[in-house]
Amino acid sequence: EADIYQTPRYLVIGTGKKITLECSQTMGHDKMYWYQQDPGMELHLIHYSYGVNSTEKGDLSSESTVSRIRTEHFPLTLESARPSHTSQYLCASSELGMGVHGYTFGSGTRLTVV
Amino acid sequence: AQSVAQPEDQVNVAEGNPLTVKCTYSVSGNPYLFWYVQYPNRGLQFLLKYITGDNLVKGSYGFEAEFNKSQTSFHLKKPSALVSDSALYFCAVREGNAGKSTFGDGTTLTVKP
Repeated sequence: EADIYQTPRYLVIGTGKKITLECSQTMGHDKMYWYQQDPGMELHLIHYSYGVNSTEKGDLSSESTVSRIRTEHFPLTLESARPSHTSQYLCASSELGMGVHGYTFGSGTRLTVV
Repeated sequence: AQSVAQPEDQVNVAEGNPLTVKCTYSVSGNPYLFWYVQYPNRGLQFLLKYITGDNLVKGSYGFEAEFNKSQTSFHLKKPSALVSDSALYFCAVREGNAGKSTFGDGTTLTVKP
């Protein structure tokens, strides 16, 4: 079944650790996105990608990096986690030219840095 | 159930003129209201939000929005439009801080020189 998958769902990690949040989609979408969302609040765009080998930073200053080596895979890496990184991270994908109703969101990774 | 409506598919304004993008909502409890913008080939970007407090909220790029409880509206405004404001704008609502937001269908804003 075509979908978008994020792992892990929950992660508690110590300050200074390196972590990678995984995101994969099976829909063949060219566009993929990472958003940060504090509970119940707005989405903030961290990174996006138009396609393989294309990545751009979003409007939220972030110490994370992303890569897009394969169409279906868009991992996000924090080199050194800090308590300020505690949040929910949502991955999404869409077809070219689609607005928000063309988005498919993953279930999210809730990250806690202690 | 919560819902949001953006009654205009397209809004066209001349540069320098004020702009308004309309949004009305329906929720059972207290609304959390958001505006997002999507420029071509970029993801959704947050503009502003209303949670509580002053009915007039100010956001990024000179945009503001007015919460009107009696009219259940949250229209997006800017006193003087720029050509670079041309984009797709989405209103979103959620009931309180739980659950997911419901997005409107979007309004394409075109600002002509």
